Amino acid sequence: AQTVTQSQPEMSVQEAETVTLSCTYDTSESDYYLFWYKQPPSRQMILVIRQEAYKQQNATENRFSVNFQKAAKSFSLKISDSQLGDAAMYFCAYRSEETSGSRLTFGEGTQLTVNP
Amino acid sequence: KAGVTQTPRYLIKTRGQQVTLSCSPISGHRSVSWYQQTPGQGLQFLFEYFSETQRNKGNFPGRFSGRQFSNSRSEMNVSTLELGDSALYLCASSSGANSHYEQYFGPGTRLTVT
Repeated sequence: AQTVTQSQPEMSVQEAETVTLSCTYDTSESDYYLFWYKQPPSRQMILVIRQEAYKQQNATENRFSVNFQKAAKSFSLKISDSQLGDAAMYFCAYRSEETSGSRLTFGEGTQLTVNP
Repeated sequence: KAGVTQTPRYLIKTRGQQVTLSCSPISGHRSVSWYQQTPGQGLQFLFEYFSETQRNKGNFPGRFSGRQFSNSRSEMNVSTLELGDSALYLCASSSGANSHYEQYFGPGTRLTVT
């Protein structure tokens, strides 16, 4: 079974600064997707960014980018030019490509605070 | 296009009762997954339905069940409620049969068991 670990329960960053959230995972599979989801106080889960394991290039979405290290099974999220609206709980998630279905395995989450 | 909707948004039940939660996916989406979110256990996968068939099931007792209708709407049922079933229940829909398709989450149903 796959596991996802987020070792930082809480992080804080100053507005306009950069912050990196860590995620490690354990799997014996070679084909999978990794995701970062954001859950603001409204509780609506929002997809931030995704990475296909077969792609070596790190995914980027505007101010959000990942550092994907497949061999180390590490998948960190970098948020540049942090904004107050980035404050939320961030979840790292894994989805298998080798089994059917859309099942996501989530990490414990990192609560991000953005200070003005 | 309307997003994923879940009803009701809030629910209070008494221990021992049963409850049914509903999820309407995005139009055209055929897959619906359910997750339970609690402070202690985090986000845990309950089950997934695709074209009215359960495709995946998480590690939850048989008190938790679900179904999907021909219009892709899904319901989950929890029987003999326990205090520990208090949680935010999230559903997510996607359009396709494999992991290439994005999942979109609903706002959740907050269930409180007293």
